[in-house]
Amino acid sequence: EAGVTQFPSHSVIEKGQTVTLRCDPISGHDNLYWYRRVMGKEIKFLLHFVKESKQDESGMPNNRFLAERTGGTYSTLKVQPAELEDSGVYFCASSQDRIRGGAEAFFGQGTRLTVV
Amino acid sequence: AQKITQTQPGMFVQEKEAVTLDCTYDTSDPSYGLFWYKQPSSGEMIFLIYQGSYDQQNATEGRYSLNFQKARKSANLVISASQLGDSAMYFCAMRGLSGAGSYQLTFGKGTKLSVIP
Repeated sequence: EAGVTQFPSHSVIEKGQTVTLRCDPISGHDNLYWYRRVMGKEIKFLLHFVKESKQDESGMPNNRFLAERTGGTYSTLKVQPAELEDSGVYFCASSQDRIRGGAEAFFGQGTRLTVV
Repeated sequence: AQKITQTQPGMFVQEKEAVTLDCTYDTSDPSYGLFWYKQPSSGEMIFLIYQGSYDQQNATEGRYSLNFQKARKSANLVISASQLGDSAMYFCAMRGLSGAGSYQLTFGKGTKLSVIP
């Protein structure tokens, strides 16, 4: 069974440009999460989809970030326009249940975004 | 609000020895879950072990065990018989309920473990 897949693995863009990150969750997982780790800091929650709906986007830093999940399958996270402080590693995770009980969230390998 | 504290930025352990990675947490929720993840140099986050707040026994998964001390709010990870492949970043995380009704993970800053041959 394929795990959570993220594209691209690395991205280097100039300040002001647009970047789109993609996440393909494990098939059948309704819950999809985006997290971000800025250099030297904790991994922070960005948002949570249940199928195609945004359950919680309280962690989104500002309106330059737009997340979508078309048809409840893969998700994209667009940053437009990118700023230097957006550099970091963006993780996607999926789970069948809402991380309750022992239902762990399965993470992708992350996308390392560098804004120069 | 939930908070996870990992006080050891880096740890060294001799191969085949046991090592304990510290994690303390703070939450006002009576029901919560604690997780440990491993992040090798390749970047992916690998789930290791889970402990529920109402679990009576400490969780174990192979060479991993979680030393759960509820009164002290600690959830230390113990790795027995360390292997070179255990060298990685280790993150402690807690599952909590956000104001929007979503379960989300709160992470610590991580501990970098280096296993010495």
